[in-house]
Amino acid sequence: AQTVTQSQPEMSVQEAETVTLSCTYDTSESDYYLFWYKQPPSRQMILVIRQEAYKQQNATENRFSVNFQKAAKSFSLKISDSQLGDAAMYFCAYRRAGNQFYFGTGTSLTVIP
Amino acid sequence: DAGVIQSPRHEVTEMGQEVTLRCKPISGHDYLFWYRQTMMRGLELLIYFNNNVPIDDSGMPEDRFSAKMPNASFSTLKIQPSEPRDSAVYFCASSFHTGQKNTEAFFGQGTRLTVV
Repeated sequence: AQTVTQSQPEMSVQEAETVTLSCTYDTSESDYYLFWYKQPPSRQMILVIRQEAYKQQNATENRFSVNFQKAAKSFSLKISDSQLGDAAMYFCAYRRAGNQFYFGTGTSLTVIP
Repeated sequence: DAGVIQSPRHEVTEMGQEVTLRCKPISGHDYLFWYRQTMMRGLELLIYFNNNVPIDDSGMPEDRFSAKMPNASFSTLKIQPSEPRDSAVYFCASSFHTGQKNTEAFFGQGTRLTVV
């Protein structure tokens, strides 16, 4: 079975600094999709960024970018210029062509003013 | 589109009672997922449907849980009888299949269930 591992249960970052959240996954598939979701205290699950495995270029969305290392099965999220509103639980997710999503256990990010 | 709509937002019920959670997916999405979120177990997939057909219900904890999708715009998750350990936040999510451009899951606001 596919697994998604987030080895950092908690992380903290100073406001305006940069932080990187780690994610690794296990798969034998070559065609799949990776995602980072943000869950603030409101509990709403919000998509932060998406990466297609067939694309070599790392995805970016404003202050959010990923480092996708397909051979290493690694998919880290970098948040630049951290803001207080970035404080949340972050989940890494994997979706294969068979269409089920697999989520990691989450990383709780604290932003220190 | 209003997004994935779940009801109720909060539910408090007594042990032994039947609980029904409802979900309206985004129009046009052909996948629907039910998740349960707790502090201890994180986000667990309970069941998912493709074109209204259940594909994998191996995450359903026991026979007290059942889910239906009678049409493309409505799904229910039922717990009968409910137990205190069922207390959690239940999410419904929908998506296109991976052949479409937008492959992510869109989540509802969740239902916080408390069984006392």
